[in-house]
Amino acid sequence: GEQVEQRPPHLSVREGDSAVITCTYTDPNSYYFFWYKQEPGASLQLLMKVFSSTEINEGQGFTVLLNKKDKRLSLNLTAAHPGDSAAYFCAVSGSGTNTGKLTFGDGTVLTVKP
Amino acid sequence: GALVYQYPRRTICKSGTSMRMECQAVGFQATSVAWYRQSPQKTFELIALSTVNSAIKYEQNFTQEKFPISHPNLSFSSMTVLNAYLEDRGLYLCGAREGQDTQYFGPGTRLLVL
Repeated sequence: GEQVEQRPPHLSVREGDSAVITCTYTDPNSYYFFWYKQEPGASLQLLMKVFSSTEINEGQGFTVLLNKKDKRLSLNLTAAHPGDSAAYFCAVSGSGTNTGKLTFGDGTVLTVKP
Repeated sequence: GALVYQYPRRTICKSGTSMRMECQAVGFQATSVAWYRQSPQKTFELIALSTVNSAIKYEQNFTQEKFPISHPNLSFSSMTVLNAYLEDRGLYLCGAREGQDTQYFGPGTRLLVL
């Protein structure tokens, strides 16, 4: 089945610096890709969804890049601030009979220091 | 907008007892509901994927006998953890899928087992 590897597991940056989190996946038929943010004690907040036809998506303060050739998905927080401190998870949605099933990366705990 | 509610938010049960958790999609019709467990180490496991009018598909290591799921309509699903033990503790997340892509997550039910 699908396997998703997320790096790094922990990331500490200074306020204003950029932070990059990367996921690689194995199933070339994967079609939908998601980034979620989880603050301590809270559930998953959807940051961005990316589809196979989209390579770059820009959100508020972050950019998501999808490279289907390399089966790589990345989240770039362009100017991190302390409120960005949280755990971030990528998730890959299966296709065909696996539609609706998300495979998550193991998460990245981001700490943004003032 | 699309919202997913889960109840209870937190529960404590004695080892060997059972507990039931509920998931309600509001503002949209969920084409499928997936139940996940997030371990204390923060990794996610898919328990089962439930699509209305289709058989519920359990992932490896999870069975209907241990985690029976009811999904009677497009907005409600419940799951019971039978004979809960220490290894069952974690945050149980319900992900309700709208259409073909986005899965919205509820706040989760945190299960503690004594």
